[in-house]
Amino acid sequence: EIVLTQSPGTLSLSPGERATLSCRASQSVSSSYLAWYQQKPGQAPRLLIYGASSRATGIPDRFSGSGSGTDFTLTISRLEPEDFAVYYCQQYGSSQTFGQGTKVEIK
Amino acid sequence: EVQLVQSGAEVKKPGESLKISCKGSGYSFTSYWIGWVRQVPGKGLEWMGIIYPGDSDTRYRPSFQGQVTISADKSISTAYLQWSSLKASDTAMYYCARIMSIFDYYGDSWGQGTLVTVSS
Repeated sequence: EIVLTQSPGTLSLSPGERATLSCRASQSVSSSYLAWYQQKPGQAPRLLIYGASSRATGIPDRFSGSGSGTDFTLTISRLEPEDFAVYYCQQYGSSQTFGQGTKVEIK
Repeated sequence: EVQLVQSGAEVKKPGESLKISCKGSGYSFTSYWIGWVRQVPGKGLEWMGIIYPGDSDTRYRPSFQGQVTISADKSISTAYLQWSSLKASDTAMYYCARIMSIFDYYGDSWGQGTLVTVSS
């Protein structure tokens, strides 16, 4: 099973700053089958990115995904107040596993 | 608009049975897979299994095989997750999600979640 490790565990930033979240896989993720989700307290996850770099419908362009193989990154170019949440990566190239999440909190 | 609406919160005792539901609307229910995801309070996400309502093809994550049953009634655009004998360790939030395909196994639309509490 592919294990996804997200870092950092918590990211403390101010609105307007850039956020860079990492997702590292224990084995190569085939065909860049990697997705990113945002989850706010009391809400369901929301799909942000699929195929490592394709934005889901309705997702603002301040969210971008990159990477391949074992190293993937979610970047939020300028944090808006509504972006403070927990972010999960998920690979779907070999079975399906989630990372443990990165919390983006207000500094 | 794609919508998945789940049944309400449940409080059950160990050993009891339970069936929760997920009703889809705004798209062709029989053309997409529906998956179930478990989230233990304060923890991460875990796929449990998926079903294709068009022909009821069902796949389970090995750790959930035999522990739950996933089904669907395409006539009413509803998928189900059921337990025959609940344990305290089944206490969690359960989400359904629409999955693009068996190869694009990610959830592009999610239900609001059903909280299941199992306690004596």
